[in-house]
Amino acid sequence: QKEVEQNSGPLSVPEGAIASLNCTYSDRVSQSFFWYRQYSGKSPELIMSIYSNGDKEDGRFTAQLNKASQYVSLLIRDSQPSDSATYLCAVNKAAGNKLTFGGGTRVLVKP
Amino acid sequence: SQTIHQWPATLVQPVGSPLSLECTVEGTSNPNLYWYRQAAGRGLQLLFYSVGIGQISSEVPQNLSASRPQDRQFILSSKKLLLSDSGFYLCAWSFTGYGYTFGSGTRLTVV
Repeated sequence: QKEVEQNSGPLSVPEGAIASLNCTYSDRVSQSFFWYRQYSGKSPELIMSIYSNGDKEDGRFTAQLNKASQYVSLLIRDSQPSDSATYLCAVNKAAGNKLTFGGGTRVLVKP
Repeated sequence: SQTIHQWPATLVQPVGSPLSLECTVEGTSNPNLYWYRQAAGRGLQLLFYSVGIGQISSEVPQNLSASRPQDRQFILSSKKLLLSDSGFYLCAWSFTGYGYTFGSGTRLTVV
């Protein structure tokens, strides 16, 4: 089992709809969780961080964390063509210096 | 504010040639520094990380090496490049427990 798993996609979403991305992780002591967006040919950009159970909203993005189920998700509301990118889930183990990344989910928003 | 600089942006090198990629961080002190490689269509592979000057941890045995001669400088090197060293090299910085900020990356093609 991979430490951080994501569906590779592509996740095809109509413009204006909600894109829902999922990520599961294997280490129960993980404490910090991050979502990155990576456009083709560019470096990853941090878009959301979440540290406690529940929802965290930032603009059109909502991160959801459920530590009991070892599950973190990202919702993108009112999806725009500019949201078309690969989204990487990353997990930090307890007091660790390193992030473990999932393989990423490619999202395509169609006009 | 903190900024991270990485150069060059692109590099084409012949097999067997040496490599030196440099990364510098401004606006912060004693950051954790990281080198990642992303092969075409693949996930992020952690190569090296450093928690302080002269402290380097290697994640993957290979013909690459890293050095941290100054607090905010991280260098990735190779004495002899292989074809398999081609990829997108990313430098990143963070504080423990927080997300990474990535540099703009170096796209290396070994021919």
